[in-house]
Amino acid sequence: DVKVTQSSRYLVKRTGEKVFLECVQDMDHENMFWYRQDPGLGLRLIYFSYDVKMKEKGDIPEGYSVSREKKERFSLILESASTNQTSMYLCASSPPGTVKNIQYFGAGTRLSVL
Amino acid sequence: DAKTTQPNSMESNEEEPVHLPCNHSTISGTDYIHWYRQLPSQGPEYVIHGLTSNVNNRMASLAIAEDRKSSTLILHRATLRDAAVYYCILRDPLIKAAGNKLTFGGGTRVLVKP
Repeated sequence: DVKVTQSSRYLVKRTGEKVFLECVQDMDHENMFWYRQDPGLGLRLIYFSYDVKMKEKGDIPEGYSVSREKKERFSLILESASTNQTSMYLCASSPPGTVKNIQYFGAGTRLSVL
Repeated sequence: DAKTTQPNSMESNEEEPVHLPCNHSTISGTDYIHWYRQLPSQGPEYVIHGLTSNVNNRMASLAIAEDRKSSTLILHRATLRDAAVYYCILRDPLIKAAGNKLTFGGGTRVLVKP
């Protein structure tokens, strides 16, 4: 079974803190994604990466950065956390190719910024 | 991405079939129909996908209308574990946009009564 593991299920941080959300996948997938999920807004793509050290902005990259130093690990960084970044964060990975392109998701990290 | 329309919620009794409709009247000829579901407090998980023909797997069946403007996800015998939000998503493998991100709409919340 494909496993996408997010380091924390719940996280509470203070405004202005630098926050790291970690994601690890064990299926040697090239593509990795970070989404956030908010009520009424669905899932929105923050950043994605299609290879080590490669990254591209998604729909809502402002206030976030990412790091992919190793193929299995994709980190989301909140440079200076703000209350409007309180959300559920979901990491996903998928193999290359586009026809099937199943995305495998982690269980999510619920982040509260106070 | 072409738009999909799903009912907000549906109820079913345990052990009975559940038919989840999805309308996608603006579907293009190359769009695949994907279904994901999200169990409470979990990330989304892939259920099934198809292009033109009906598809079956161990989780569900997908019935696609002949004109492809609608489809139905069928859970043959609902269990309490099937209570989730089910998302119908169109994906065009020919469009390599944002790393093939998934665009989730509101989905259908399925309630399974014992």
